[in-house]
Amino acid sequence: ETGVTQTPRHLVMGMTNKKSLKCEQHLGHNAMYWYKQSAKKPLELMFVYSLEERVENNSVPSRFSPECPNSSHLFLHLHTLQPEDSALYLCASSEQGSYGYTFGSGTRLTVV
Amino acid sequence: GDSVTQMEGPVTLSEEAFLTINCTYTATGYPSLFWYVQYPGEGLQLLLKATKADDKGSNKGFEATYRKETTSFHLEKGSVQVSDSAVYFCALSDRSWGKLQFGAGTQVVVTP
Repeated sequence: ETGVTQTPRHLVMGMTNKKSLKCEQHLGHNAMYWYKQSAKKPLELMFVYSLEERVENNSVPSRFSPECPNSSHLFLHLHTLQPEDSALYLCASSEQGSYGYTFGSGTRLTVV
Repeated sequence: GDSVTQMEGPVTLSEEAFLTINCTYTATGYPSLFWYVQYPGEGLQLLLKATKADDKGSNKGFEATYRKETTSFHLEKGSVQVSDSAVYFCALSDRSWGKLQFGAGTQVVVTP
């Protein structure tokens, strides 16, 4: 247990479904991140939240919608995904201005 | 912009062999440098870090030295074990913010 908890660990969804990924940290960090990790591709930074405000959105399709209701929780809402969105989605947190992230174990998403 | 380049894998070696994974970076300022490790089915874990030139990070028998003159942060371990099989990511952090930029990752496979 790293201090960053992601649920669910595995998710299979159809292209017409709506689902949400959840990330929770109780490390007192004030920045949270969503990364996408696809096979044979570098880690892709999707969204950055600092002090509950979205500060970065790296050209992510609108079918991915993040939400950060407080500094301890981060969600990624998914709708009408495509098979190429199948990947490991990683959440991380950090203390802004300090060094290094703490990662969750990820959610393995399969879109069928 | 800032970037990290690391050697492509997979790197396959026998138990007790010497491991080196090369990492070089491009940055406008004086970043902090990190190595993360990802074991199968898990998220990324911080392995070691160095925050200024000539610093040496070490953990679990792994070492890396921040070389400003060659803009490098190569990871080394003198005698690997099967349990070291994982994907290793080099990363740098913009000091003013803390956001991490990752390399593509290097898979290491250690055989008995």
